[in-house]
Amino acid sequence: QVQLQESGPGLVKPSETLSLTCAVSGYSITSGCFWGWIRQPPGKGLEWIGSSYHGGITYYNPSLKSRVTISLDTSKNQFSLTLSSVTAADTAVYYCARLVGHLDWVFSGVVATTYFDFWGRGTLVTVSS
Amino acid sequence: QSVLTQPPSVSAAPGQKVTISCSGSSSNIGNNYVSWFQQLPGTAPKLLIYDNNKRPSGIPDRFSGSKSGTSATLDITGLQTGDEADYYCGTCDNSLSAVVFGGGTKLTVL
Repeated sequence: QVQLQESGPGLVKPSETLSLTCAVSGYSITSGCFWGWIRQPPGKGLEWIGSSYHGGITYYNPSLKSRVTISLDTSKNQFSLTLSSVTAADTAVYYCARLVGHLDWVFSGVVATTYFDFWGRGTLVTVSS
Repeated sequence: QSVLTQPPSVSAAPGQKVTISCSGSSSNIGNNYVSWFQQLPGTAPKLLIYDNNKRPSGIPDRFSGSKSGTSATLDITGLQTGDEADYYCGTCDNSLSAVVFGGGTKLTVL
């Protein structure tokens, strides 16, 4: 069974950098899926942050692109998120998830399957001084 | 504002059927597969439907999905109190090169 577990600080100061890690078990992150981060502000809906594929393909939400980096650590079978210059608006539950399919094909116009099938439990990150 | 539009809330009695809509455009739903997620209070989203109408293993056939043009629909029949949750649609948007979600629909089983 594929399992994902987020970890990282639960409190980050404004203007600093948020860093989270997602440990994956039961599946190798080099085995052909994209790996992504999604967040959910308290009482609000889901917002995709970005997704990355072993081999160097990464896509980010255009509204966050200038502040986000997602990277894969194949030696530890985990991937990470960094979000710089955070504000209170970045307070949210952050989820990591496995995305089945090929975003690169889809974004180039190919009609192909893409969906998030396995999710972590989420971790609340609060931005406050 | 979400790229995909869902009604904020729907409700129905136990045993009844409810339909949740998800409206988009040609750059997202119109040319891509749609998935649906159930989020029970305090938990992570769970995949209910993928590729418009396919159910992962373990999802009851009370849950079904469909797509027509630039809109998608999630139907839940034989409603149970345990179905009370937030439901989200999701797809890809080719113009944005982004994964997008609907704003979510809160289901109340009266």
